[in-house]
Amino acid sequence: QITLKESGPTLVKPTQTLTLTCTFSGFSLSTSGVGVGWIRQPPGKALDFLALIYWNDDKRYSPSLKSRLTITKDTSKNQVVLIMTNMDPVDTATYYCAHRLGSTYFSYWGQGTRVTVSS
Amino acid sequence: QSVLTQPPSVSGAPGQRITISCTGSSSNFGAVYDVHWYQQLPGTAPKLLIYGYSNRPSGVPDRFSGSKSGTSASLAITGLQAEDEADYYCQSYDSSLSTYVFGTGTEVTVL
Repeated sequence: QITLKESGPTLVKPTQTLTLTCTFSGFSLSTSGVGVGWIRQPPGKALDFLALIYWNDDKRYSPSLKSRLTITKDTSKNQVVLIMTNMDPVDTATYYCAHRLGSTYFSYWGQGTRVTVSS
Repeated sequence: QSVLTQPPSVSGAPGQRITISCTGSSSNFGAVYDVHWYQQLPGTAPKLLIYGYSNRPSGVPDRFSGSKSGTSASLAITGLQAEDEADYYCQSYDSSLSTYVFGTGTEVTVL
């Protein structure tokens, strides 16, 4: 059974750096074709892709946020970490991590973690 | 940014058939990339509903179906039920942006 769970701060101040961790089970990020991505959703708005890391350490980023994002993996811990710098109130959202296998879809999602950016 | 366009809302009576469109371009599912659909019930995480245009994961009722024509894709729900009230998103990969992209989302209301 594949599960993913996001963790991190619920409140960050403007200009601070956000670090989110996705801890997963039921699959290995060293298996060919596997990826773990981050997607966010501002309140009342659409899903917004942020970043994804593949089993071979290849990465994809949202072009508009690329300068602020870093995604890394720790295969031994079954974790993927997303770092987003220079947080702004417009970054207030629910942040999801999700599992990708083989094709271009996200087959399993975490429950999401709500992050509020406010002073 | 949303490079895939969906209607903001669609509604229908119980038992009816509704369709949700998703318009892309030649750099995403107009090219070689598939379109996928997700259902997001209120207050929950998105759930994969359709992958590869028309394939349903295990457990998804066959009332849900997907199709593609050129640079547009559609999700159809037949025999609409109250439990289908949710937001629906299409998703693909864009070769010119080299990234994954989501649609603008469609809210389905059962009248």
